[in-house]
Amino acid sequence: GAGVSQSPSNKVTEKGKDVELRCDPISGHTALYWYRQSLGQGLEFLIYFQGNSAPDKSGLPSDRFSAERTGGSVSTLTIQRTQQEDSAVYLCASSLAKGQGAKGYTFGSGTRLTVV
Amino acid sequence: GEDVEQSLFLSVREGDSSVINCTYTDSSSTYLYWYKQEPGAGLQLLTYIFSNMDMKQDQRLTVLLNKKDKHLSLRIADTQTGDSAIYFCAVSYNQGGKLIFGQGTELSVKP
Repeated sequence: GAGVSQSPSNKVTEKGKDVELRCDPISGHTALYWYRQSLGQGLEFLIYFQGNSAPDKSGLPSDRFSAERTGGSVSTLTIQRTQQEDSAVYLCASSLAKGQGAKGYTFGSGTRLTVV
Repeated sequence: GEDVEQSLFLSVREGDSSVINCTYTDSSSTYLYWYKQEPGAGLQLLTYIFSNMDMKQDQRLTVLLNKKDKHLSLRIADTQTGDSAIYFCAVSYNQGGKLIFGQGTELSVKP
């Protein structure tokens, strides 16, 4: 597609429920990244995919968080047993190669997750 | 480890120049970026600089990089009210490919 697409744009969930957030990267972009932006904070790196594998998962905050990527394209970030501190905007980005391109990364508009 | 720091707020008058500063800790950076985030919107890439450059100019934007001091700045000339946003500095490294972001600087432009 023309840009990085994320869905849903907004999600309100009850504490303890599982949620799935989806990212559709730009066609042909092999690298995909998930970030989290909490209110008034910078962007916190979560996980990086190169193709379907995740060489860097160092930012996932707990084992309740997992992500997968299939077909070198769509990625899903899953949060199990959501907690209120998971409330944030989850941003996805993609890039042509390993993120070293001169034009950097293209970001989606994010999914705003609210856990009540 | 990798850390990127920015001041949180900057307020300027319309027509003045704005200078947003950023410091980073890891000297093995490759590309350094400035992103803009308007309220309710995603991140927009403004400009970038490769780590072997000292300066880059792009219309009203000037990026200065001091590798010795690990200091990056973004100067916006003739700042307009439409420039009001949060500006993020981000640094990429050879290893892993991820971007490390600063906390963001909220720029407020008063008429």
